[in-house]
Formats: sequence, structure tokens, C-alpha cells
Amino acid sequence: EVQLLESGGGLVQPGGSLRLSCAASGFTFSSYAMSWVRQAPGKGLEWVSVISGSAGGTYYADSVKGRFTISRDNSKKTLYLQMNSLRVEDTAVYYCAKHYGSGKYNHGMDVWGQGTTVTVSS
Amino acid sequence: DIQMTQSPSSVSASVGDRVTITCRASQGISSWLAWYQQKPGKAPKLLMYAASSLQSGVPSRFSGSGSGTDFTLTISSLQPEDFATYYCQHTNTFPHTFGQGTKLEIK
Repeated sequence: EVQLLESGGGLVQPGGSLRLSCAASGFTFSSYAMSWVRQAPGKGLEWVSVISGSAGGTYYADSVKGRFTISRDNSKKTLYLQMNSLRVEDTAVYYCAKHYGSGKYNHGMDVWGQGTTVTVSS
Repeated sequence: DIQMTQSPSSVSASVGDRVTITCRASQGISSWLAWYQQKPGKAPKLLMYAASSLQSGVPSRFSGSGSGTDFTLTISSLQPEDFATYYCQHTNTFPHTFGQGTKLEIK
């Protein structure tokens, strides 16, 4: 079964750091681009960042550029999101998602994790 | 960055109705558009990609159309399980922005 399982969320003070992990199973992890998408409480979806299968390419939303770093360890089949200089407005459920189609970015995201909650508050 | 605008923001409909949701891009995105369904407390589910390609396992009552800047998602005959929030997302250049969502409610 294709599955993604996020972990690492929690409560952190403004200015703090957190690292999210997403463990993948059931597919050839290294063949697929992976993204992080977040959803603030009661709000819509916001795409955060993407990384290619080989980790050779990364892109970020302007709202997190310079503060968040996406990475992956294909040997461990795990995706990461290092979040630094956290702000109250970063409070959200963070989902990891697999892009549909080997090597493709353009066909949407077909497998999603259950989400992990990040709360930034003093 | 490309902005995505969905309309309406919410719609009330009955089981069996035909419903259309519109998504407009601030600039041309060819056919690089995806549609998702999200139910409360759950992760989004991919319905359509490349504007009109139905994702495997998604019922055929869902259809998508459009290219350039204007796109639609149509549900031909609403079923009880279709009441949810729907999002479009452009998948052209990064950032892959989502629309603000359309909440489909039971009338």
C-alpha cells in the first residue's frame, strides 16, 4: 500500500525551529517529486515547497523562502522540512504529498499523508 | 506568481443536481491544472489533472475542462459523498498556487 506518514509537528515559540519528517512506503520513493502543502486553521490549502526525486531541484513559496528548507533521504525513503524563524502565521496542518507521475511536477499530487500540526505561539 | 480565483466560494445543491465550479488563472497556464476534493479533517484527494484527465478511481460523474486561463470542474449528478470543499491548483510554473476553495453544501 502506498503510504505517507508525517511526524515532527508540535508547539514552538515564535522565532523557533522545527523539523518535519515524512516517511514513505509502497512506491519507488526516489522516482517521484515530493511537496509540502499546509493548511492554516479554517483556511484553504497553501503549497509550500517541492523537491525533485533526485533532490537536484527545489522550489519554495515566497512566504517561506529563506526560512524553510526541503530535503530528502532516498535511502531512508524520507522527506524533510526544516522550518526556522517560525512565525505565528506558520501555524497550520502540514501535509506531505507525492507528485503523480514518475519524474513529473505537472500532474498534481496523488498521495497525501494524514498531516502533522504545527502551532507557533508564545 | 500566478493567482487562482475560484467561483463560487460556496454553493448549495441537492443530490442529483449538476454542479459546475469555475477556476480562473491570472495568466495562461495551458492545461496545467489539477482539482482536489477535501472533506473535513481529511487530506485532499486528487480528482483531475492536466485539466481534463480523470484520476484513477474517481467516479466518471466528475469531469474537467478548460485551457489557458479558464477552467471548470463539473459534477454531473451529485451524490451524498460529494459534499466537500473543492480546490483548483495550477501546476504550470512554481509556485503551484491553489485557489481559495469552493464549499459544496447540501441544500
